[in-house]
Amino acid sequence: AQTVTQSQPEMSVQEAETVTLSCTYDTSENNYYLFWYKQPPSRQMILVIRQEAYKQQNATENRFSVNFQKAAKSFSLKISDSQLGDTAMYFCAFMKLGGSQGNLIFGKGTKLSVKP
Amino acid sequence: GAGVSQTPSNKVTEKGKYVELRCDPISGHTALYWYRQSLGQGPEFLIYFQGTGAADDSGLPNDRFFAVRPEGSVSTLKIQRTERGDSAVYLCASSQGPNTGELFFGEGSRLTVL
Repeated sequence: AQTVTQSQPEMSVQEAETVTLSCTYDTSENNYYLFWYKQPPSRQMILVIRQEAYKQQNATENRFSVNFQKAAKSFSLKISDSQLGDTAMYFCAFMKLGGSQGNLIFGKGTKLSVKP
Repeated sequence: GAGVSQTPSNKVTEKGKYVELRCDPISGHTALYWYRQSLGQGPEFLIYFQGTGAADDSGLPNDRFFAVRPEGSVSTLKIQRTERGDSAVYLCASSQGPNTGELFFGEGSRLTVL
């Protein structure tokens, strides 16, 4: 069975600074996707970034980038130039390719606070 | 509407009662998912529909939970004989294509069982 671990329950960062959220996972699969989802107080989960395991290049989306270390099973999220609107819960998630579509396995989340 | 719509936003019920939670996915999305999020936890998969059929219901915790999607659009999650442990936020999501993992979530239905 796959597991996703987020070891930082809470993090804080000053506005305009950079912060890195950690995620590790455990799987015997070779083909999978990894995701970071953001959940603001409104409860609506929003996809931040996605990484295909077969791609060596780290995914980037504007101020968001990942450090994907497949051998170490590590998938951290870096947020640059943090903004107040980045305050939210961040969930790391794993999905096996070829299995049940949409059966994402989520970590417990990291609560990020961006301080002015 | 433009996004995934879930009703009710909040539901308070008594132990033993029957509850229905509704999800209206994004128009044109063929895949629909239900997740449950307990306090302080990440979402847990319950069931996935492709069209009208449940392609994977392996996450449903027991036979008190059931979901339908009769016309391939709106879905209803049904919980019989509710228990206090069923209290959680029930999230619905939809997606356009298979195996992308890019799910569009609604704001969830918070269920409280007294």
